[in-house]
Amino acid sequence: DTGVSQDPRHKITKRGQNVTFRCDPISEHNRLYWYRQTLGQGPEFLTYFQNEAQLEKSRLLSDRFSAERPKGSFSTLEIQRTEQGDSAMYLCASSPQSTGANQPQHFGDGTRLSIL
Amino acid sequence: SQQGEEDPQALSIQEGENATMNCSYKTSINNLQWYRQNSGRGLVHLILIRSNEREKHSGRLRVTLDTSKKSSSLLITASRAADTASYFCVYDRGSTLGRLYFGRGTQLTVWP
Repeated sequence: DTGVSQDPRHKITKRGQNVTFRCDPISEHNRLYWYRQTLGQGPEFLTYFQNEAQLEKSRLLSDRFSAERPKGSFSTLEIQRTEQGDSAMYLCASSPQSTGANQPQHFGDGTRLSIL
Repeated sequence: SQQGEEDPQALSIQEGENATMNCSYKTSINNLQWYRQNSGRGLVHLILIRSNEREKHSGRLRVTLDTSKKSSSLLITASRAADTASYFCVYDRGSTLGRLYFGRGTQLTVWP
């Protein structure tokens, strides 16, 4: 079990630039989640994939945000025209599909985004 | 609000003492989970308790669930400095989608 990996760990960019983050889930997990966490708060749900299908998006995911999981394995989260308020930790999690109660989610260590 | 609310927001204790954190929620649930987050890291799943269970143990962790009071508690016995972290309770309402709702968590500091 190599765990969930996210790249990069840190990203510093100027306001208005586009950024893209990558998440590699645990290989046998077909569910993948993106969360955003600001200082002192718990993670907030952004979006969820089952295999390559994006099944749910939060209202937090404005039209500047787009997520993909083209082959049902790794996922990317892109933020276009970044704003100061986008500064946060972006967390990815994965879990196996469950037939009953939800399975625990396995989190990566996140990508910390800082907008100058 | 659909997230659990942890109490207290911050807890500071000495090594060897027990730490108790509480969680309240406002709706019926399918199960409740506790996660830990070390500073600057991702979250780690600690324990899951189903709605028909009242108590569950895992090592030094003990979780209780009272569905009539819509509350849960996490007890860490014989705490260690390495237990210093934020602790979150999250619950599942039975949706198959699996999204988790997080509160602000309890920041636990264990002094050596």
